[in-house]
Amino acid sequence: NAGVTQTPKFQVLKTGQSMTLQCAQDMNHNSMYWYRQDPGMGLRLIYYSASEGTTDKGEVPNGYNVSRLNKREFSLRLESAAPSQTSVYFCASRTSSGNTIYFGEGSWLTVV
Amino acid sequence: DAKTTQPPSMDCAEGRAANLPCNHSTISGNEYVYWYRQIHSQGPQYIIHGLKNNETNEMASLIITEDRKSSTLILPHATLRDTAVYYCILTYPPSNTGKLIFGQGTTLQVKP
Repeated sequence: NAGVTQTPKFQVLKTGQSMTLQCAQDMNHNSMYWYRQDPGMGLRLIYYSASEGTTDKGEVPNGYNVSRLNKREFSLRLESAAPSQTSVYFCASRTSSGNTIYFGEGSWLTVV
Repeated sequence: DAKTTQPPSMDCAEGRAANLPCNHSTISGNEYVYWYRQIHSQGPQYIIHGLKNNETNEMASLIITEDRKSSTLILPHATLRDTAVYYCILTYPPSNTGKLIFGQGTTLQVKP
């Protein structure tokens, strides 16, 4: 997981609160991704960014917004958290050659 | 987007080869097959990828059928540390920053 850093690692929110998950990579990658993983489930794509300044919806974008601040950083925002957003969130980036995808260590989010 | 189908679970004896199948019958001509694994909710780890030729690296071998509709990941000598969820995913070539779609994966249990 070297090179992709996520913060915070753990967070508890109350329903209706907002928060931003931060992701940064120092590998000069163009593409970055946000996934969520519910218990016992596979990863589902929330949003992705093919390059700086562009973002696109994935499989489950509802309730989230993203910002590709610069080439290094890709943040995920929950404007009004809901219990259904309790999950583990993974950020990832991909080399320009597309050969390897690197994942962060995950952010555990609980909404009560 | 082309989808993949994997068995939900498999067992393998320690020291034996683990063969994990993946069906991708709707794969398009320029999509690559990637394999990742996830150990106990850590971030997914890259294993291997290929387009149409068989590939081998220090971790595993990837066998892709001639019609490219299925593939098999082979761990030649499975150890207890290979117990993980294995994901077969499809993605576009390096020049096209396509999004990544994960399926449910196969839970591989390596037994002593």
